[in-house]
Amino acid sequence: EAQVTQNPRYLITVTGKKLTVTCSQNMNHEYMSWYRQDPGLGLRQIYYSMNVEVTDKGDVPEGYKVSRKEKRNFPLILESPSPNQTSLYFCASSLSTSGAKNIQYFGAGTRLSVL
Amino acid sequence: SQQGEEDPQALSIQEGENATMNCSYKTSINNLQWYRQNSGRGLVHLILIRSNEREKHSGRLRVTLDTSKKSSSLLITASRAADTASYFCATGSYNTDKLIFGTGTRLQVFP
Repeated sequence: EAQVTQNPRYLITVTGKKLTVTCSQNMNHEYMSWYRQDPGLGLRQIYYSMNVEVTDKGDVPEGYKVSRKEKRNFPLILESPSPNQTSLYFCASSLSTSGAKNIQYFGAGTRLSVL
Repeated sequence: SQQGEEDPQALSIQEGENATMNCSYKTSINNLQWYRQNSGRGLVHLILIRSNEREKHSGRLRVTLDTSKKSSSLLITASRAADTASYFCATGSYNTDKLIFGTGTRLQVFP
């Protein structure tokens, strides 16, 4: 089954404790992206990647890191989480290198709470 | 920066009625997409309309695009309780690789 898989689905952590949210897709998609969703603000893009070893900042990249060493994986790293990073996070992938011109497929989401 | 803004923010209707949601955007676009999100779940793609198209249908969904007014509408006909969800428009432009989402319309369909 074609899918985007995020782990974990739920995470509670404390300020400053490094964490990684994994994202994997099995559709051989070129483009992958991370979004955060906050009430009243819709989805905001954090980082995106058009191909292996190619990443770029979205609208809200501060406090986050990503890497794209393999085509299928795009982990989101919070080196020193803070309470304002409490949010619902989504990973998405798209077939071509331009995520703006094609359908995006979303993971089920990761709900993160930073205490 | 938010490109799309949906209107209304929330909509409540009875089963069988039609639901119309609007999306306005600010800059030139390559395409506009509509997504659906059930509470707290991932977004699911509904329909994509390109800038040279004016109308598109998919089952009970009808999307229109007016590039002169920088707006789009999503019509769900003969709504069902299962259509209860949030609906987002997203725009893709020619000069970026980002899909920019609006803040969404929350639709409640009462049986």
